[in-house]
Amino acid sequence: EPEVTQTPSHQVTQMGQEVILRCVPISNHLYFYWYRQILGQKVEFLVSFYNNEISEKSEIFDDQFSVERPDGSNFTLKIRSTKLEDSAMYFCASSEQGESDTQYFGPGTRLTVL
Amino acid sequence: GENVEQHPSTLSVQEGDSAVIKCTYSDSASNYFPWYKQELGKGPQLIIDIRSNVGEKKDQRIAVTLNKTAKHFSLHITETQPEDSAVYFCAASYGTSYDKVIFGPGTSLSVIP
Repeated sequence: EPEVTQTPSHQVTQMGQEVILRCVPISNHLYFYWYRQILGQKVEFLVSFYNNEISEKSEIFDDQFSVERPDGSNFTLKIRSTKLEDSAMYFCASSEQGESDTQYFGPGTRLTVL
Repeated sequence: GENVEQHPSTLSVQEGDSAVIKCTYSDSASNYFPWYKQELGKGPQLIIDIRSNVGEKKDQRIAVTLNKTAKHFSLHITETQPEDSAVYFCAASYGTSYDKVIFGPGTSLSVIP
């Protein structure tokens, strides 16, 4: 069964450094998403992406964040200058269509900012 | 914006018993309600979903009900098994922003053998 994959599984970085989290969505999916989950808390929407542009973003997704689909298979989340409070699990998801279509989640990347 | 509440936060049941998790949402325009199961160290996995034109949906031991008037929806797991132990999240699509899924805070379910 097709699945969303994410790399790395765990990323440790120093405060102020840039990180790039990578995702490979399911191949025939057109809509892509990033969510984060701070330890012990709920999953929070960050951004949705369709047709090479952001379709929606939350208040969490400030100027430090950016997303990109650099080629036909990868979808990346960049954090420009990490802060301690960016430490969380970051989940990528994809769906075949938008508008309430089922979103399939990857296993996540645990980001630790020291 | 949309807000999803979920109860209880923790639930412990004996193997074979039923488990019920209840959620409420605030935005009456929401029309898609997925349920996710998250096992330790893994991403959320969709287990069942329901849309606003349906009041109930069942898939083997799992059923979901939706009351749009009251803005309530519930997950029912029958004949629970130890492998059902996980954190369960209800969620709702957010009004006119249908690709934005808002999650509830989660219910940690423990099934005691």
